[in-house]
Amino acid sequence: ETGVTQSPTHLIKTRGQQVTLRCSSQSGHNTVSWYQQALGQGPQFIFQYYREEENGRGNFPPRFSGLQFPNYSSELNVNALELDDSALYLCASSSRRSPNYGYTFGSGTRLTVV
Amino acid sequence: GNSVTQMEGPVTLSEEAFLTINCTYTATGYPSLFWYVQYPGEGLQLLLKATKADDKGSNKGFEATYRKETTSFHLEKGSVQVSDSAVYFCALIQTGANNLFFGTGTRLTVIP
Repeated sequence: ETGVTQSPTHLIKTRGQQVTLRCSSQSGHNTVSWYQQALGQGPQFIFQYYREEENGRGNFPPRFSGLQFPNYSSELNVNALELDDSALYLCASSSRRSPNYGYTFGSGTRLTVV
Repeated sequence: GNSVTQMEGPVTLSEEAFLTINCTYTATGYPSLFWYVQYPGEGLQLLLKATKADDKGSNKGFEATYRKETTSFHLEKGSVQVSDSAVYFCALIQTGANNLFFGTGTRLTVIP
């Protein structure tokens, strides 16, 4: 059983640029969620995708957008990067049928905006 | 709304000491509760969970009991090891909801 894989592991971007982060979900999982973890903080929910559609969103502006593909993998896109977007971005997959049994997280993408 | 409050760290213990990390929550209804652990440079790993009141989650010597009367889910371990050094996050998810709410995390350092 493969876990959740994220790419790239590290990324440096300039303010105002755009970035795409990628996530492959765990085998058997059909739901992907994205979280932002600022330094020294707990992860904050960005949004979730199920059946290739957004299925819930946290308190993040529209310049944070995503996609889910038929194989359940997902992308997180952030436009017009700001310095405060510097964080660890975590992808988590789960099964729609048993969300209360926990999410499987990837190791994250560390984004630095300069 | 939903929120999770964790005991502030960092926590430094000697090997074989007893560990308690406090966690209290605010939520409507009956959420499921989790402890996640984050080792240096890694993502989050599910440590244990409890889905209803009075349930005890346990894993790798760690335990936590879902206490609805005190809205708490404190993490305990009887004898910590150096390898337990990590950041621990308490989290909840509402029944039928699709996102976890996390506390701010507690960094544990265990010294030999």
